[in-house]
Amino acid sequence: DTGVSQDPRHKITKRGQNVTFRCDPISEHNRLYWYRQTLGQGPEFLTYFQNEAQLEKSRLLSDRFSAERPKGSFSTLEIQRTEQGDSAMYLCASSLVGVEQFFGPGTRLTVL
Amino acid sequence: GIQVEQSPPDLILQEGANSTLRCNFSDSVNNLQWFHQNPWGQLINLFYIPSGTKQNGRLSATTVATERYSLLYISSSQTTDSGVYFCAVDFSGNTPLVFGKGTRLSVIA
Repeated sequence: DTGVSQDPRHKITKRGQNVTFRCDPISEHNRLYWYRQTLGQGPEFLTYFQNEAQLEKSRLLSDRFSAERPKGSFSTLEIQRTEQGDSAMYLCASSLVGVEQFFGPGTRLTVL
Repeated sequence: GIQVEQSPPDLILQEGANSTLRCNFSDSVNNLQWFHQNPWGQLINLFYIPSGTKQNGRLSATTVATERYSLLYISSSQTTDSGVYFCAVDFSGNTPLVFGKGTRLSVIA
């Protein structure tokens, strides 16, 4: 296993469109996290899963955002009716419970 | 609230110089990680160090949990060390990482 992977790496969309991102964690990791990073800031937590259960959501995760991890393996993050303020780097990380997190390369979203 | 503060925000070094980056946190931690973010945005794990001292080549880190700070040392800096260094903490083991705002390091030849 070569680490956390994310797809796509870049996404350009028009305001109002829906987008979906995928994250494949390190295979034995039971925790999966989504973070968002805007220019000049550190990553900020969005949501996380333990196996298939979504355990916590940040207040940053408006009702236009939804995340799933249906079989406890890969996860998807969907943004509906995108807005220009959604432009950011979306980062996925995985870990075993309570220990070191490893990050994927990120998906850079640009909303025009 | 929970806070992670990094200093300095920006640092410019001549190649070959040494540097110390600092991370202060507001509560006791279960996990503390240092990352280097490369120009493409990838977060590279440097250290997982909730307490104690670790070394990896030219880099070393020390966390003094009782005094709520961690230090990252970079010796004999190289231009490839340039980028943003983040400290991130997990306060309970069941919470996500809280990141500082980072230190932007520029190493010039």
